Amino acid sequence: EDQVTQSPEALRLQEGESSSLNCSYTVSGLRGLFWYRQDPGKGPEFLFTLYSAGEEKEKERLKATLTKKESFLHITAPKPEDSATYLCAVQWSGGSNYKLTFGKGTLLTVNP
Amino acid sequence: DTGVSQNPRHKITKRGQNVTFRCDPISEHNRLYWYRQTLGQGPEFLTYFQNEAQLEKSRLLSDRFSAERPKGSFSTLEIQRTEQGDSAMYLCASSKGLAGSYNEQFFGPGTRLTVL
Repeated sequence: EDQVTQSPEALRLQEGESSSLNCSYTVSGLRGLFWYRQDPGKGPEFLFTLYSAGEEKEKERLKATLTKKESFLHITAPKPEDSATYLCAVQWSGGSNYKLTFGKGTLLTVNP
Repeated sequence: DTGVSQNPRHKITKRGQNVTFRCDPISEHNRLYWYRQTLGQGPEFLTYFQNEAQLEKSRLLSDRFSAERPKGSFSTLEIQRTEQGDSAMYLCASSKGLAGSYNEQFFGPGTRLTVL
């Protein structure tokens, strides 16, 4: 069973069409949940860290929220330059020290 | 540019050859990580250093893989007797932090390995 599951696998939006990406996790003892953006052929770019349920973080058109079993990445009025793969990762007390366990990502395409 | 750097960016090799990758972390970061990413998957953890000490290795890191961080600065990842299944993007990340802290990890651009 995957410890981190992201949905949908792929999402196509029109420019300006707001939506949300989901990251659900089954691990216990969450220490942190991390969102990254990855462009093709590049390394992941850090976006947000969330540590506890109820926490929210915002950056430009992105807003990340966290509950006890999932996180959402809300994209408001997206632009074509927001097209990328968005990765979610967790650090948890049952996992090894400090490593990130990633989901498979959501490929977001924003059409002009 | 003070981000994580990796060299080479691309490496094509023949099956059975040895390859070595280098990672230079952000200068004040004492933690360094190696991950491997294949197409359509998220990065998978390989190994972790705190300063020069290698504190953890994944079971994905077979005996053909070895990593070092000799002076607690840059790190190298060597793959001996490469196999076609080793073809992947190898990512390095670094973070800072005191004991017990869980800081965000910053990734380099990766080294794309192709084994023919």
